[in-house]
Amino acid sequence: QVQLVQSGAEVKNPGASVKVSCKASGYTFISYDITWVRQAPGQGLEWMGGMNVKNGNTNYAQKFQDRVIMTTDTSTSTAYMDLRSLRSDDTAIYYCVRDTGSAYFDIWGRGTLVTVSS
Amino acid sequence: QSALTQPASVSGSPGQSITISCTGTSSDIGGYNYVSWYRQHPGKAPKLMISEVSNRPSGVSNRFSGSKSGNTASLTISGLQAEDEADYYCSSYTSSVTIIFGGGTKLTVL
Repeated sequence: QVQLVQSGAEVKNPGASVKVSCKASGYTFISYDITWVRQAPGQGLEWMGGMNVKNGNTNYAQKFQDRVIMTTDTSTSTAYMDLRSLRSDDTAIYYCVRDTGSAYFDIWGRGTLVTVSS
Repeated sequence: QSALTQPASVSGSPGQSITISCTGTSSDIGGYNYVSWYRQHPGKAPKLMISEVSNRPSGVSNRFSGSKSGNTASLTISGLQAEDEADYYCSSYTSSVTIIFGGGTKLTVL
């Protein structure tokens, strides 16, 4: 079945970087974009940005423009989200989602909890 | 850019209908038919319930329907069931080529 399997929980110190992976299966990886959405504890959903897997173009939310890099490895159908200069308010669950290209997300990963704490 | 505006909470009894509103601007909801709705149960990932204002994905109950008027989108759930108790989020494409979410609405089934 179509699924996105994300890497496990991470604990990072402030100022460090984190790289979350998201392995796709059950569909043709390059046929859909991959978007990243995060959710701080007890808070709502926040769009971080997305990537056109076919051509490699990225579109980041202005808030993360200077700190995030989204990449994919089409040979392994895996997407990556690299967030650097972590702060305590980056503590959140990070979801990778399949983006249909019509601004809706039909498949969600289970999420990766990233905790930033000294 | 501020989040779309949703009521913090709504409630209804089993069998009743409820509507959740989602208000934006002409730069997002009012400008595009790219409004989606997601349901999130506690501790779970969100699930797509409605796409492109009113399209229901395969497998989603026809008790769920979406609509839009001007800068406000709405999700209606008819025949409320206990399993509908969850958080609901709207989202929209924006003129800045981004996606914006609503703050979320907690639905309680009484």
